[in-house]
Amino acid sequence: DAKTTQPPSMDCAEGRAANLPCNHSTISGNEYVYWYRQIHSQGPQYIIHGLKNNETNEMASLIITEDRKSSTLILPHATLRDTAVYYCIVRVVNTDKLIFGTGTRLQVFP
Amino acid sequence: GAVVSQHPSRVICKSGTSVKIECRSLDFQATTMFWYRQFPKQSLMLMATSNEGSKATYEQGVEKDKFLINHASLTLSTLTVTSAHPEDSSFYICSPRQPADYGYTFGSGTRLTVV
Repeated sequence: DAKTTQPPSMDCAEGRAANLPCNHSTISGNEYVYWYRQIHSQGPQYIIHGLKNNETNEMASLIITEDRKSSTLILPHATLRDTAVYYCIVRVVNTDKLIFGTGTRLQVFP
Repeated sequence: GAVVSQHPSRVICKSGTSVKIECRSLDFQATTMFWYRQFPKQSLMLMATSNEGSKATYEQGVEKDKFLINHASLTLSTLTVTSAHPEDSSFYICSPRQPADYGYTFGSGTRLTVV
């Protein structure tokens, strides 16, 4: 199973862009990268996912390197409500399981 | 993604009793449901995969006789924690399997406290 590596914590000033990196060097060619976040005592919330092209939605942008070994989640204008643990996950082929890593705890400060 | 309803959101039970957690897929026929457990300050850990009409499969180290999973219909999967002990106190979360190009939806979670 592909695994992901993320920094344990990051800080970001409110209104600034938050760039959260993720390494997934063992990813297979047909495995998607997913990003979720979890606010305390809630279920994970889907943010965005991609295969090899960069993606953007109303919440965030996902930048995937050409070799697909790493990606970056960008929250363009972070707010205090974006304070959460962010998980980068590679979906396992065939089983479709999502195996969570340790995530990045993002703290947005005023 | 699918709309998922998980119930109860919070339960306190006595040691030795059993607790059932329900996970409903409201607008999606879930042939497969993933069950996760999360201890305080830790990440989600996949416990088991329930399959409609067949036996569940469990991840390594998860006791199948303790965590009974039933997936009797395409909209309902249940997890029963049998003979619960304080060490089973955790946050349990479900998520239906969806097509590869969809974002998975998770239940809101069940906080189990065994006293």
